[in-house]
Formats: sequence, C-alpha cells, structure tokens
Amino acid sequence: AQKITQTQPGMFVQEKEAVTLDCTYDTSDQSYGLFWYKQPSSGEMIFLIYQGSYDEQNATEGRYSLNFQKARKSANLVISASQLGDSAMYFCVRGRDYKLSFGAGTTVTVRA
Amino acid sequence: DARVTQTPRHKVTEMGQEVTMRCQPILGHNTVFWYRQTMMQGLELLAYFRNRAPLDDSGMPKDRFSAEMPDATLATLKIQPSEPRDSAVYFCASGLVVGGTDTQYFGPGTRLTVL
Repeated sequence: AQKITQTQPGMFVQEKEAVTLDCTYDTSDQSYGLFWYKQPSSGEMIFLIYQGSYDEQNATEGRYSLNFQKARKSANLVISASQLGDSAMYFCVRGRDYKLSFGAGTTVTVRA
Repeated sequence: DARVTQTPRHKVTEMGQEVTMRCQPILGHNTVFWYRQTMMQGLELLAYFRNRAPLDDSGMPKDRFSAEMPDATLATLKIQPSEPRDSAVYFCASGLVVGGTDTQYFGPGTRLTVL
C-alpha cells in the first residue's frame, strides 16, 4: 500500500490564526489526486479541497489552501483565520482512480 | 445543497441479527462507495459501484456482507448474520466519474453496534 504520512497527531491553534497541517505521500504514479477531508466530532466526513497531480497552481477553497510540492511529494493544508468550528480531525488522502488512501489524521483544536 | 443521505444513523443490534444500511447518493452521481471506519483499521473500502454495477467488492467479507444498488437512488449494505466485530461506522460516498481521480462525497455514516 502506498503510504500517506501525517506527522502531527494533534495541534492547538488560537482562533483567527492560520495553521498548517503537514502531509507527505508515497506514489509511483504520474496521475493522482490529493484531497483533504475534515471529520468533526459529529463523525461526518467532509470534503474540503482537491489538487490534481498535473495542476500547476495550488488549490484554494475559501479559507483552505493546499500547498502542493510535487517533487517533495508534499500536500500541506493551510487553514487561514481559524474558527472554533474548525476543531476536528483532518485527513490527507491520496486518490488513484477510485481508490483512496487515508493518512492517520491530525486533530486540530481551536482555542478561543 | 446536495448531500448523500444514510439511514439509519445509529443501529444497535444483537449478534446474529440481520442489519441493512441504506444510502441515497447525490442525484446525478454515477459512483457509489461503501466504507467502514474503526479506530484500529481506519477507513476501509468495502464496495464500489459505477453506474449501478459492482466493480470492486474485494474489501468485503463475502460470507456475511452483501452490497447492492437496486436503482440509481438507492444503495444497500447488508450484514447477515452480524457479529460484534462488525461494530463500526459505515459510510456511503458518491461521486461523478469525469476522468482521473474523482471527488467522493461522504454521507453522515451509520454507527453500528453489535452486542
């Protein structure tokens, strides 16, 4: 299995500050996708952002941006202006065709 | 706001009973996925359908699990007989194949407890 590594099991961030969640991945494929999903304590799995391996520009979606460094096999998520509702587990996910490989997740706790 | 819906949201049953979980994919999506999430294993793909045809069920215990799509608006996952080790959160996800890697949108999950 091709591994997805999230080295930060847990992080604390102050409200209104930015936070960067690290993600590195293994792959021998040329074409693949990278995703970030959010799982709050309620348990649902929420899609946040997508980056294709051939996309030259980093993906952005509102307060979320993906810092994609293909040569380093890195796909860090940046959340700007953190809100209390951002407290959740965040999964970095690599996709190839229909198969998704999930990282172990990073728990983010936003402090008021 | 289109969403994947799943029923029931919670299910507690006794070992040996049949469990049926239902999923309504997002209208217009042509792929459906069933996943199981546990603390120990994380998220595991159980089954994958495209245009209602099952294309991959290699992750599913064949002896007790079955997945079907009777029509484009309904996917079902059945466990018969259920066992305590089946206790987990079961997610349904749907997507639209347009080429490459497609985004999967997850439902809220069914939390299953088998006593």
